[in-house]
Amino acid sequence: EAQVTQNPRYLITVTGKKLTVTCSQNMNHEYMSWYRQDPGLGLRQIYYSMNVEVTDKGDVPEGYKVSRKEKRNFPLILESPSPNQTSLYFCASSLEQGTLNTEAFFGQGTRLTVV
Amino acid sequence: AQSVTQLGSHVSVSEGALVLLRCNYSSSVPPYLFWYVQYPNQGLQLLLKYTSAATLVKGINGFEAEFKKSETSFHLTKPSAHMSDAAEYFCAFGGATNKLIFGTGTLLAVQP
Repeated sequence: EAQVTQNPRYLITVTGKKLTVTCSQNMNHEYMSWYRQDPGLGLRQIYYSMNVEVTDKGDVPEGYKVSRKEKRNFPLILESPSPNQTSLYFCASSLEQGTLNTEAFFGQGTRLTVV
Repeated sequence: AQSVTQLGSHVSVSEGALVLLRCNYSSSVPPYLFWYVQYPNQGLQLLLKYTSAATLVKGINGFEAEFKKSETSFHLTKPSAHMSDAAEYFCAFGGATNKLIFGTGTLLAVQP
């Protein structure tokens, strides 16, 4: 089954404690991205990756890091989480970007709470 | 710059009534437009997409959307709402940039 898998689904952590949210896709997609969803703001892109070893900032990259060492994986790293990073996070992948194949496939989401 | 505006953060309809969710876009290049649905505690799922082949696009679950260039709109409709349609709906713009640009979402409530 084609899917994007995120882990964990729920996470409560304390300010400053480094954490990683994993994302893996099994569709051989080139393009992967991370979004955060906040009430009234919709989804905002954090980082994206056009291919292995190619990553770039989205609209709200501050406080986040990513890496793309393998095509299928795109982890999101919070080196020192703060309460304003409490949010619902989604990983997405697509075959291409900037074309009709921009159709994105989303993971189930990770609800992060930073206290 | 490209942008997407969804009018109405909350829409409530009765079961069996018409569903109309509004989306307007701003773009200097031909747009690729999408509607996604998010059910509670789930990720986003594609409802339909505009491919420029036809202005009326049919999607899953009986939804459709009409692309109107003159009005820069891509409104989502369904003739008869069902209780299972209760969800949050997002319009998104793609193409020409390295990301999907999402609207702020419309939460659809269906009353029995």
